[in-house]
Amino acid sequence: DSGVTQTPKHLITATGQRVTLRCSPRSGDLSVYWYQQSLDQGLQFLIQYYNGEERAKGNILERFSAQQFPDLHSELNLSSLELGDSALYFCASSSLSGANVLTFGAGSRLTVL
Amino acid sequence: ELKVEQNPLFLSMQEGKNYTIYCNYSTTSDRLYWYRQDPGKSLESLFVLLSNGAVKQEGRLMASLDTKARLSTLHITAAVHDLSATYFCAVDGAFYGGSQGNLIFGKGTKLSVKP
Repeated sequence: DSGVTQTPKHLITATGQRVTLRCSPRSGDLSVYWYQQSLDQGLQFLIQYYNGEERAKGNILERFSAQQFPDLHSELNLSSLELGDSALYFCASSSLSGANVLTFGAGSRLTVL
Repeated sequence: ELKVEQNPLFLSMQEGKNYTIYCNYSTTSDRLYWYRQDPGKSLESLFVLLSNGAVKQEGRLMASLDTKARLSTLHITAAVHDLSATYFCAVDGAFYGGSQGNLIFGKGTKLSVKP
């Protein structure tokens, strides 16, 4: 157990639908990151939050959004889902200090049918 | 644009043999990460290399960083089946104008160790 908790582990939904992925960071970590892993694109950085504030955006589609709540958990919202959104979505957390090693959660596998 | 290239992408080894995975990146960076991923699982941090000439070793794995050549290597000594996994290198985006923790990953090297 890495200390980063993601739910749900698996999710199957239809095109056009909306889903929410949830992440609780490791205790003490203020920074949360979302990554997408797919066969086509590999591992891609989506977005980063630090202590409730958006800090950086990567290759995140406009149909996707995220937020970090006062208790530091984060949610990634994916809407108007397309077949190509099927992927493994990872949340990671770090302290943003020292070597800033990211600790990854187990991932949420999204399948869009 | 920062690019991270790993080679080989696939590696089939026999137990007991040695091999090296290479990670080249296109922009100056003093921070390089190696992660391991088992099929369908999360990414596990192996090493973080923070300066030119840094070398770290854990068991049969040894990682090194040459920032001048923009090259990191992951050397496997006397491979065993348990090392079968996909290995990723990643560079921190803070060194090309991104944010700290915005990792740019290579495509990964899928290692299969056979008896």
